Amino acid sequence: SQKIEQNSEALNIQEGKTATLTCNYTNYSPAYLQWYRQDPGRGPVFLLLIRENEKEKRKERLKVTFDTTLKQSLFHITASQPADSATYLCAHYSSASKIIFGSGTRLSIRP
Amino acid sequence: GAVVSQHPSWVICKSGTSVKIECRSLDFQATTMFWYRQFPKQSLMLMATSNEGSKATYEQGVEKDKFLINHASLTLSTLTVTSAHPEDSSFYICSAREGTPKSYEQYFGPGTRLTVT
Repeated sequence: SQKIEQNSEALNIQEGKTATLTCNYTNYSPAYLQWYRQDPGRGPVFLLLIRENEKEKRKERLKVTFDTTLKQSLFHITASQPADSATYLCAHYSSASKIIFGSGTRLSIRP
Repeated sequence: GAVVSQHPSWVICKSGTSVKIECRSLDFQATTMFWYRQFPKQSLMLMATSNEGSKATYEQGVEKDKFLINHASLTLSTLTVTSAHPEDSSFYICSAREGTPKSYEQYFGPGTRLTVT
């Protein structure tokens, strides 16, 4: 079955460093991958979408890569700030055009 | 940007009662709406997909008679948790997608925290 996984449940890094989160997929080839941010008690907020024919996409301090050989997407936050602390979810569109989420990585940026 | 609202933002109810949660798209027409459930420290799990004017499609393991979904208009979908039990306590999130064929973006509501006592 199609699976999308975020192997790191939590990630703690020092302010100013680059945070790198990983999303792996198995048993299928998604045409798109998406990344969302979710704060406690709130709904997810869309950040970036990357297509399979795009190697990299950027938005301000965010960068997403898509490696179809490794079946992996990396999500980077450069010059991280405590305000970046949140849970980050990768997601894909299933064959039925439904968004399916990975388990999420809880990112904590310490001052 | 597109905004999706949910009401109420939180609700406490007694076991055995029913609770209705509303999801509205405020500035666009949503031909498709989705309902998710999220337990603490877990990811969002899709419960059902509803298209305006037709019956909802439920994911495997979700009881359609317990979680009634109505998508009567292009801006409103409701989820009714019938005969709620403490194990139904969760964070319920809706999302909506515009009807344009090229639209892949879904917009998420802020969620509704349901506590069943």
